[in-house]
Amino acid sequence: DAMVIQNPRYQVTQFGKPVTLSCSQTLNHNVMYWYQQKSSQAPKLLFHYYDKDFNNEADTPDNFQSRRPNTSFCFLDIRSPGLGDAAMYLCATSRARTGDGYTFGSGTRLTVV
Amino acid sequence: AQKVTQAQTEISVVEKEDVTLDCVYETRDTTYYLFWYKQPPSGELVFLIRRNSFDEQNEISGRYSWNFQKSTSSFNFTITASQVVDSAVYFCALSETRAGANSKLTFGKGITLSVRP
Repeated sequence: DAMVIQNPRYQVTQFGKPVTLSCSQTLNHNVMYWYQQKSSQAPKLLFHYYDKDFNNEADTPDNFQSRRPNTSFCFLDIRSPGLGDAAMYLCATSRARTGDGYTFGSGTRLTVV
Repeated sequence: AQKVTQAQTEISVVEKEDVTLDCVYETRDTTYYLFWYKQPPSGELVFLIRRNSFDEQNEISGRYSWNFQKSTSSFNFTITASQVVDSAVYFCALSETRAGANSKLTFGKGITLSVRP
């Protein structure tokens, strides 16, 4: 089945140690999104790619970066994770400019120790 | 800017009761989509329904039903004869379709539903 896959499902990283979360899709969707969801909060959009066009949300910290080497893969890099970055990170895809459907991965739960 | 309000934060019911989760949205666009997602404790977002702004027909799917009222900008979700497995956080979300821009999904704060045996 076409889907969005996030690896790993659980990630533990040390305070200040760079960490990368990955997302892959078999849907061939143009747009890929990264959401951060802290405990008991709504998912919050960090950034998204439309093909190779990167779109950062205004309030996304500089500590968060993303790469999309090809249509299928998108990575979230946290350069120096702090305790406040512990959260569920959700990847999603959609067709461009339609707004009519999003496919979410199962998420990566990040713990910072 | 688009906004979704879920005024209820936590709801607790006894199994077999009916429960309605409220959602109110704001948008300046005439074309948009509304969604409901379920998030069980495992964390993944489970898609429940999508409704476009031009379709105000109510929808029923098994024990689930949705009431879309454009006049009051509401998209409420009712679970009939609730079950323990319905316990989860439920998010209402809005996506605008803007010419020349990418769509973005905006979530409400979510409602935690607890169904007791």
